[in-house]
Amino acid sequence: AQTVTQSQPEMSVQEAETVTLSCTYDTSENNYYLFWYKQPPSRQMILVIRQEAYKQQNATENRFSVNFQKAAKSFSLKISDSQLGDTAMYFCASLLGSGGGADGLTFGKGTHLIIQP
Amino acid sequence: DAMVIQNPRYQVTQFGKPVTLSCSQTLNHNVMYWYQQKSSQAPKLLFHYYDKDFNNEADTPDNFQSRRPNTSFCFLDIRSPGLGDAAMYLCATSRERGISEKLFFGSGTQLSVL
Repeated sequence: AQTVTQSQPEMSVQEAETVTLSCTYDTSENNYYLFWYKQPPSRQMILVIRQEAYKQQNATENRFSVNFQKAAKSFSLKISDSQLGDTAMYFCASLLGSGGGADGLTFGKGTHLIIQP
Repeated sequence: DAMVIQNPRYQVTQFGKPVTLSCSQTLNHNVMYWYQQKSSQAPKLLFHYYDKDFNNEADTPDNFQSRRPNTSFCFLDIRSPGLGDAAMYLCATSRERGISEKLFFGSGTQLSVL
């Protein structure tokens, strides 16, 4: 079984600050993908960034970057120059392969990020 | 332009009264997923279709069924909703089942059970 753990139920930072959200996961697979999804009050799940386990280079998407530590099974999200629109629930998720291909995402419990003006 | 469309946005049903939630996609993706997300919890995969092949998660209650009459549409049927089934139901699609595939989510249907 795969598990994804987010240990920070809620975080709050000031606008323009940098914030890091933590995520750890557990798997015995060698190849897999890791994701961060954003879910604003509209409840639409939006992909923020993804990382392939075989790639050593950390993924970056504009203000969003990850710190992927494969040996430690850690996958944190850093948001630089945070903006009010970043306020949302953030879910860490994993996608593993199985005999017939991937069977859907496994999500962590989420971190509620609040950006204060 | 919405690519994964869920209707209705809000659904209210009565305890024990069957209800159907719908999902349609314009992406021509092979895989369609249904997730249940209860308040302040992580989305939980209920089942998915790979083309016409139905794949049920081991802990999905028998009360939940699904139909996929064609590539574009997928339905979630709750045969006898209980109060514990009140949740947001999210539909998602992916082109294939590989681990490199991106999932595209709809806006969800919020189900209330009275």
